[in-house]
This record gives sequence, structure tokens and C-alpha cells, in this order.
Amino acid sequence: EAGVAQSPRYKIIEKRQSVAFWCNPISGHATLYWYQQILGQGPKLLIQFQNNGVVDDSQLPKDRFSAERLKGVDSTLKIQPAKLEDSAVYLCASSFNDRGNPLLYNEQFFGPGTRLTVL
Amino acid sequence: GIQVEQSPPDLILQEGANSTLRCNFSDSVNNLQWFHQNPWGQLINLFYIPSGTKQNGRLSATTVATERYSLLYISSSQTTDSGVYFCAFLNTPLVFGKGTRLSVIA
Repeated sequence: EAGVAQSPRYKIIEKRQSVAFWCNPISGHATLYWYQQILGQGPKLLIQFQNNGVVDDSQLPKDRFSAERLKGVDSTLKIQPAKLEDSAVYLCASSFNDRGNPLLYNEQFFGPGTRLTVL
Repeated sequence: GIQVEQSPPDLILQEGANSTLRCNFSDSVNNLQWFHQNPWGQLINLFYIPSGTKQNGRLSATTVATERYSLLYISSSQTTDSGVYFCAFLNTPLVFGKGTRLSVIA
């Protein structure tokens, strides 16, 4: 079974530029998560999708970050414009969630992440 | 929301030693997962353990939801066990601990 795929693996941009990350979850997983992990810290949830609907985006900086999962499968996370403090690893994860309640999460599987450096 | 506290923050072990990592929660939990982040940054599932005890080779985990903690045991540690161990509370809001950084020395 293929794992969670992410691209690109690395990205270096100048501040005020825009950037997009892509994630393809494990086949059949209804729930998809985007996390931001700053060096030395644990992952912080940015947004959670259940199929193509948003379950939780309370920690997403909506003035510059956006995410979509239009067909309920793969997803993109965009930053526009980027700031220096956005330098981090952006992790995508997915879970099956067979309980039917998006507020109760099943086991999560993570992709390799995208390391973003903003200069 | 729920606070997640991991201890110790750092741990250095000689190869072959045993260790116990702890995760405390500010409220009772019923949805918890342990991860290992290797030196290359990959987050690897160790246990999805809402309650009870699970074992996988040299690793085992126990969650006592009513007592608000979970433990991860590593026996006969190897250098490949080095990295950061995270526990995560998987309800709303979803929260990760700050991790325990483990270094196993040959």
C-alpha cells in the first residue's frame, strides 16, 4: 500500500513570494491534515479535511494561507505572500476515520514533509 | 483545550539500555498516538493506543485514560532509536506534545 505522498520535498523562496505544496493521501482515507512543524517543536495542525469539507481550520493564518481538497482526494496548501516565520516543515497526514464522526480521529499516517525555507 | 506534556525533554542512553517516556494530559483522553520522528524528519507511527497496552518488538505502550497519562517503553535501545518521540491527542483540538529527544550512543 502506497503511503502519503508530498511534493516538493524542499523549497526555497524569497519573502513575499508565493508557494504551493501538494499532498496525496493513502487511498481510501477520507480525512486529510496539514501540519506546520517549526524546528524544535511538535507539529501544529493547520487544517483538517473530511472528504472535501473543512473540519477544523482554527489555526490556519487565513490572511496568507489557503488550502483546498476539491475532489476529496489530493490537496494543496498555499502561502501567499510568504514571511520569514513561515520557514518550517509542512507535513501532510491522512486517516481512514471509519467512525463517521470527523471529530474522532483514527490513526494518522504522515508523508515525508516539505521543508520550506523563506529568505 | 487539552494540554500535553512530555517528559523527559531530552534523554541520552547507552546502547542496550531501557527507557520509559511519559505523556501527561490535562484531561482524560480516549484517542492517542505515539510517533517517532527520525533524524531525517519522517514521522513514523509507533502506536495508536486510546487505552490499554500494546507491544511491537522492543517497544510497548500503555495508556491509562482515567489517570491522564501514557507511557512508551523502549527496551534494549539501539542507535536507530535516536530521534524525537511525540505523543498526540487526536481529538478536537488535535494537539501534539513537544516531544522527547532521544540519543542512543553506541
